[in-house]
Amino acid sequence: GQQLNQSPQSMFIQEGEDVSMNCTSSSIFNTWLWYKQDPGEGPVLLIALYKAGELTSNGRLTAQFGITRKDSFLNISASIPSDVGIYFCAGRGGGADGLTFGKGTHLIIQP
Amino acid sequence: KAGVTQTPRYLIKTRGQQVTLSCSPISGHRSVSWYQQTPGQGLQFLFEYFSETQRNKGNFPGRFSGRQFSNSRSEMNVSTLELGDSALYLCASSPLSSQETQYFGPGTRLLVL
Repeated sequence: GQQLNQSPQSMFIQEGEDVSMNCTSSSIFNTWLWYKQDPGEGPVLLIALYKAGELTSNGRLTAQFGITRKDSFLNISASIPSDVGIYFCAGRGGGADGLTFGKGTHLIIQP
Repeated sequence: KAGVTQTPRYLIKTRGQQVTLSCSPISGHRSVSWYQQTPGQGLQFLFEYFSETQRNKGNFPGRFSGRQFSNSRSEMNVSTLELGDSALYLCASSPLSSQETQYFGPGTRLLVL
């Protein structure tokens, strides 16, 4: 089946720093989605990408759909304490398997 | 607009029992998907329903089943529970305008003893 490699697995940063994480796939996706999940809650949609090369922003968040359709990245600028959480990438190809999720990037902000 | 709601939020069952989880999608959404989240396997797709029909199914045993009602509400059932079924079960709904985009509920935390 499809697999997503998400990196890094965890990040320890200082407040105010920029953050970058990415996902690569073994196969082509038609849609890339980025979610944030807080403890005990469901994932919250941050950004959705629908076309290769698309670059989309949502406040301090920016994500891009790779040209090859096999990768995507998420950047967070000027991190703040409420950015702490687990970030997941998810992709959907043309098949019938629902969303495929990465293993998540655990973002920790040190005071 | 209210988000996706799931009931119950927490559940404790014993091995061999069965369980039914419920999901109400965002108003106007007709597609509902279910996922299982565990620390070891992460988020894994269970099945997807649209207009009361199962459209897609993940790689889970037949003990996992679901259905969707005419009002788009969905239920999933797990029979003959095993310890490994302990997980957070997440429901997501999608709008017709963008069926690839899924909005998740808070999940049902199932513990099997």
